[in-house]
Amino acid sequence: EVQLVESGGGLVQPGRSLRLSCAASGFTFDDYGMHWVRQAPGKGLEWVSGISWNSGSIDYADSVKGRFTISRDNAKNSLYLQMDSLRAADTALYYCAKGDRVLDYWGQGTLVTVSS
Amino acid sequence: DIQMTQSPSSLSASVGDRVTITCRASQGFSNYLAWYQQKPGKVPKLLIYAASTLQSGVPSRFSGSGSGTDFTLTISSLQPEDVATYYCQKYNSAPYTFGQGTKLQIK
Repeated sequence: EVQLVESGGGLVQPGRSLRLSCAASGFTFDDYGMHWVRQAPGKGLEWVSGISWNSGSIDYADSVKGRFTISRDNAKNSLYLQMDSLRAADTALYYCAKGDRVLDYWGQGTLVTVSS
Repeated sequence: DIQMTQSPSSLSASVGDRVTITCRASQGFSNYLAWYQQKPGKVPKLLIYAASTLQSGVPSRFSGSGSGTDFTLTISSLQPEDVATYYCQKYNSAPYTFGQGTKLQIK
């Protein structure tokens, strides 16, 4: 059974940093690309970033480019999102999702709240 | 970047009705289009990819069509458990933009 478990969310002040993690199991992690998608409270889905199986291809939404860094550790079956210079607009539930481009499994999400 | 616009933003229909949701892209991109269902308080679920291919385990009352700039998601006979927000997403190239969502309710 595919499982994706996000962690690392919390309350953080504007301008500070946070690192999210996603622990994957139930599939061959290094065979697939992975993504982060976020959802602000009461709002729709926003694709944030994606990384290929070997980290050779990495993409970001314009809204986070230059502030967020996606990475993965295939030896640890883990995906990460380093979030720097956080803004109130980054407040959201952050989902980890499996798939090269089509997102066929999603985690439960970890909540990030940016507020002073 | 390509923008994805769904219509309507919300709709209310009766059990058994045929429901159609539309997703329009600002530029064409063949059939690299997926549909997701998000039930209230739940995680998004993949319904359809490649515009018309049903994900394994998804009921056959769901179908998708379209190519280029115009895509549709159809529920042939609405069921109470279909109450959800539906999102389209382009995945031809990054950014993998979602539509703004269509909230479906039972009348």
